[in-house]
Amino acid sequence: AQSVTQLGSHVSVSEGALVLLRCNYSSSVPPYLFWYVQYPNQGLQLLLKYTTGATLVKGINGFEAEFKKSETSFHLTKPSAHMSDAAEYFCAVSEGGSSASKIIFGSGTRLSIRP
Amino acid sequence: KAGVTQTPRYLIKTRGQQVTLSCSPISGHRSVSWYQQTPGQGLQFLFEYFSETQRNKGNFPGRFSGRQFSNSRSEMNVSTLELGDSALYLCASSLVQPPNSPLHFGNGTRLTVT
Repeated sequence: AQSVTQLGSHVSVSEGALVLLRCNYSSSVPPYLFWYVQYPNQGLQLLLKYTTGATLVKGINGFEAEFKKSETSFHLTKPSAHMSDAAEYFCAVSEGGSSASKIIFGSGTRLSIRP
Repeated sequence: KAGVTQTPRYLIKTRGQQVTLSCSPISGHRSVSWYQQTPGQGLQFLFEYFSETQRNKGNFPGRFSGRQFSNSRSEMNVSTLELGDSALYLCASSLVQPPNSPLHFGNGTRLTVT
């Protein structure tokens, strides 16, 4: 079974600083990988996804993630944090095979932005 | 285009009761997935429906069930409620089965079991 591990349940950065949220996955097949964001009292919103092709994926709101097969990682970055980025971020992977439609989520990383 | 609509938004039930949650997907979307979100367990996959058929199921007891109608709307039912069923239940729709199209989430139904 596939799994995803997010390192750090809470990350705090200053406004304007680099944002780095870490995600490692385990997958026995080429993975479909996703990052979602959840604002308080709302559902999740897709930030970006990796399926095949270019390993650097650009998403909405200035976020990007790089797929590194050798490191089984899919870390999320943003060059300059904004106050509006404060939210919870989830990395996710498709289960694959006959269970491909089952999307497994990590435990989430809460991002705080200091003024 | 309207997003995913979940009703009701909040629900309070008593142990032993049953509950039905509703999800209307984005128009044209044919797949609906359900998740349970709790502070301790995070997001747990419940099931996924496509073309009125359950295609995948998570590791939940049989008290959790669901269905999908011909218009792609979906319901999930929890019978014999337990205190541990208190959670935010999220529905997500996608154009075709994930992961070939991304999940679009509703704002959830917050269920409190007392």
